Amino acid sequence: DQQVKQNSPSLSVQEGRISILNCDYTNSMFDYFLWYKKYPAEGPTFLISISSIKDKNEDGRFTVFLNKSAKHLSLHIVPSQPGDSAVYFCAARDTGANSKLTFGKGITLSVRP
Amino acid sequence: KAGVTQTPRYLIKTRGQQVTLSCSPISGHRSVSWYQQTPGQGLQFLFEYFSETQRNKGNFPGRFSGRQFSNSRSEMNVSTLELGDSALYLCASSLGQGPVTQYFGPGTRLTVL
Repeated sequence: DQQVKQNSPSLSVQEGRISILNCDYTNSMFDYFLWYKKYPAEGPTFLISISSIKDKNEDGRFTVFLNKSAKHLSLHIVPSQPGDSAVYFCAARDTGANSKLTFGKGITLSVRP
Repeated sequence: KAGVTQTPRYLIKTRGQQVTLSCSPISGHRSVSWYQQTPGQGLQFLFEYFSETQRNKGNFPGRFSGRQFSNSRSEMNVSTLELGDSALYLCASSLGQGPVTQYFGPGTRLTVL
């Protein structure tokens, strides 16, 4: 049973436009969400996170929105740049004294020059 | 500050052998988690260590084990290797447990022949 779902395996956008990457979850005990970016043969790089007590967090070109009632979060990248082309993973942590992250399967973003 | 380091970066083994992978967390980080990444399953949580104690374990067979040392460095061991163990093994560290950001190392690519 996949608790974090990234239903679109890939996304292609034009440079300068907005990229919107979506993520859905089923576990209502998740209280902290993160987005990671991954290039081939490298480990995931942390991008941005959001606590379940917030509905928006912004860091430069990256904004994450959380809709708890819909169990949905999204990552907005504005403006998109060719260097943003990578695999993006959504991850979630459930409450309790542990750090286990549950990951989605990732979305491959391609930004066309 | 140096990031998470993992050694070796690449490893080739044959079925039935055992392997030990090493992870050095970011200085000051006390929590280390291990993940397995495969093309079909994405990132799957293996286990988490905090202050030399295993705090959480994923759904992997007992052939997968780990430990953490007093300096927070961690090792994971896989015994009686199977072809399906071929994967990228990622280590992540964080300051503590709970809703804190995990930072990943570059991973160890294990190939089992």
